[in-house]
Amino acid sequence: AQKITQTQPGMFVQEKEAVTLDCTYDTSDQSYGLFWYKQPSSGEMIFLIYQGSYDEQNATEGRYSLNFQKARKSANLVISASQLGDSAMYFCAMREGNTGNQFYFGTGTSLTVIP
Amino acid sequence: GAGVSQSPSNKVTEKGKDVELRCDPISGHTALYWYRQSLGQGLEFLIYFQGNSAPDKSGLPSDRFSAERTGGSVSTLTIQRTQQEDSAVYLCASSLVLSSGGAKQYFGPGTRLTVT
Repeated sequence: AQKITQTQPGMFVQEKEAVTLDCTYDTSDQSYGLFWYKQPSSGEMIFLIYQGSYDEQNATEGRYSLNFQKARKSANLVISASQLGDSAMYFCAMREGNTGNQFYFGTGTSLTVIP
Repeated sequence: GAGVSQSPSNKVTEKGKDVELRCDPISGHTALYWYRQSLGQGLEFLIYFQGNSAPDKSGLPSDRFSAERTGGSVSTLTIQRTQQEDSAVYLCASSLVLSSGGAKQYFGPGTRLTVT
């Protein structure tokens, strides 16, 4: 089974609108971390936001927030007030256990912001 | 401070040749990861180093792939007898290891390998 599933290969959003990128995960660990990364066309991987499995509050970082639904094993990324510079690939990732070796990455969602 | 650096940024090689890719992690980061990203795809885990522990090589696709990390810092990924399917961007990342598990990875710019 896939550890991380991103079901939206491509998404479009109007500038200034909010968009939700879906991510579901699969783990039997009680302790894990969830991450979102942005990869613009330049290829660099940029960390956006982190959610720990024991965090009770949804993580927020500026215009990014993580909608963490533990029972559903989902960790959707919400981008508010989309900007043209948000156009990029977005990857959801998980690290199992407190010091798990591997980061498991999803296949990514390509977001295009339309002016 | 300085981020993760990788060299070369681009490498074109002929099928059958060996290549070495280098990664300089962020100073003080004990964890180092190698990934492969084929065009339009996600990240494929290759290998993980943590301090002096034995590396996790479970992601290496074949015995043509190997990696070393000298002195707990610089790492070299070696691909022997390259094949065309090895063409991809090879990304290196480093991180701290925190008891909270929240340590994020910092990625290098990648090495784009093209095997002709």
